[in-house]
Amino acid sequence: DAGVTQSPTHLIKTRGQQVTLRCSPKSGHDTVSWYQQALGQGPQFIFQYYEEEERQRGNFPDRFSGHQFPNYSSELNVNALLLGDSALYLCASSLVVRGSRYGYTFGSGTRLTVV
Amino acid sequence: AQKITQTQPGMFVQEKEAVTLDCTYDTSDPSYGLFWYKQPSSGEMIFLIYQGSYDQQNATEGRYSLNFQKARKSANLVISASQLGDSAMYFCAMTVNQFYFGTGTSLTVIP
Repeated sequence: DAGVTQSPTHLIKTRGQQVTLRCSPKSGHDTVSWYQQALGQGPQFIFQYYEEEERQRGNFPDRFSGHQFPNYSSELNVNALLLGDSALYLCASSLVVRGSRYGYTFGSGTRLTVV
Repeated sequence: AQKITQTQPGMFVQEKEAVTLDCTYDTSDPSYGLFWYKQPSSGEMIFLIYQGSYDQQNATEGRYSLNFQKARKSANLVISASQLGDSAMYFCAMTVNQFYFGTGTSLTVIP
């Protein structure tokens, strides 16, 4: 039973470019959340997708956008990259049961470096 | 507003001894979950232990136990019989619809 899969594992981009990160949730999970973890910090919530819609959003600018596909996989897009966007991006999946979420599982992350 | 506080940036422990990592939280929501994760240098968040806000007993998972004091809003992690492989960053987190993480504690196990 595969866990959460994120791709790519590492990425180097130039300031001003756009990037797309991908996440496949754990089998049976229907919710995907994205987190940004800057060096030396705890992860910060970006947004959460459920039933192909953004359900919650953290304090991140509109340059950060996402999508969830019918197979529950998700993408995180960041436009107009800034040096400060350099971070580890973590994806977490979970399952909604009777209105509550269970089984939180994190992927290994994508390490994005903006130069 | 939800908040998690970890006041120990770094901790050292002798191999085979026990260590306690501190965590306090703040929320007005009566229903929440408390988690501890281990993050090695590879970046993956490894689940260690979970405590629900309505759970009466402290959670235990092998060498890990969570000292849950609801009135004090604390959720300290106790690692018994530390091993060299326990050296990593440890994050306390709370779920109220989403995860709120602390700033982490770097644990180093000394041989």
